[in-house]
Amino acid sequence: SQQGEEDPQALSIQEGENATMNCSYKTSINNLQWYRQNSGRGLVHLILIRSNEREKHSGRLRVTLDTSKKSSSLLITASRAADTASYFCATVITGGTSYGKLTFGQGTILTVHP
Amino acid sequence: NAGVMQNPRHLVRRRGQEARLRCSPMKGHSHVYWYRQLPEEGLKFMVYLQKENIIDESGMPKERFSAEFPKEGPSILRIQQVVRGDSAAYFCASSPRTERETQYFGPGTRLLVL
Repeated sequence: SQQGEEDPQALSIQEGENATMNCSYKTSINNLQWYRQNSGRGLVHLILIRSNEREKHSGRLRVTLDTSKKSSSLLITASRAADTASYFCATVITGGTSYGKLTFGQGTILTVHP
Repeated sequence: NAGVMQNPRHLVRRRGQEARLRCSPMKGHSHVYWYRQLPEEGLKFMVYLQKENIIDESGMPKERFSAEFPKEGPSILRIQQVVRGDSAAYFCASSPRTERETQYFGPGTRLLVL
């Protein structure tokens, strides 16, 4: 297994519902970030949460971090069809050889049906 | 302020040929990162560069792959004697010196090796 594993691997919901994705990691981290990737496109940075933070909000996004369980969750409220994308968590490892190096999980594919 | 630019967006090579992928970071960004994404997988770190320096190349295959970020011009990821297993999307990201935590991704170059 690897640093940064998301579950579920795929999530299918109706517009207006909430979507929750989880991410687990193995080593101590400096911060954890969530990115979105639309099909065939680059990644868009969504939100960053530091190791000393427990919860963070940005618009319809809510991220939590539990360092004791080495896990994070991303909640998208009132989902829209435009939220359909792959979502990745990425960690910056404490004491890594180069600060800023991101380690990505496998991603969750979210499909929001109109 | 233009975002991270990568070219070409699509590249087709036959086995044994060379592939050159270019990345122009955002204006004012002096840190460049290259990541590779295999089909249905998350991104894997390859190399981290600053102007004229390779900071961390721990994710680069030992053979055939090289990267540079010259004083002038774009960063180049070079793959010599490509094989089918090199087929992937290659993403470049950049960050400013003062805020390395958030990386801004380019649209990627999709390499297909025939």
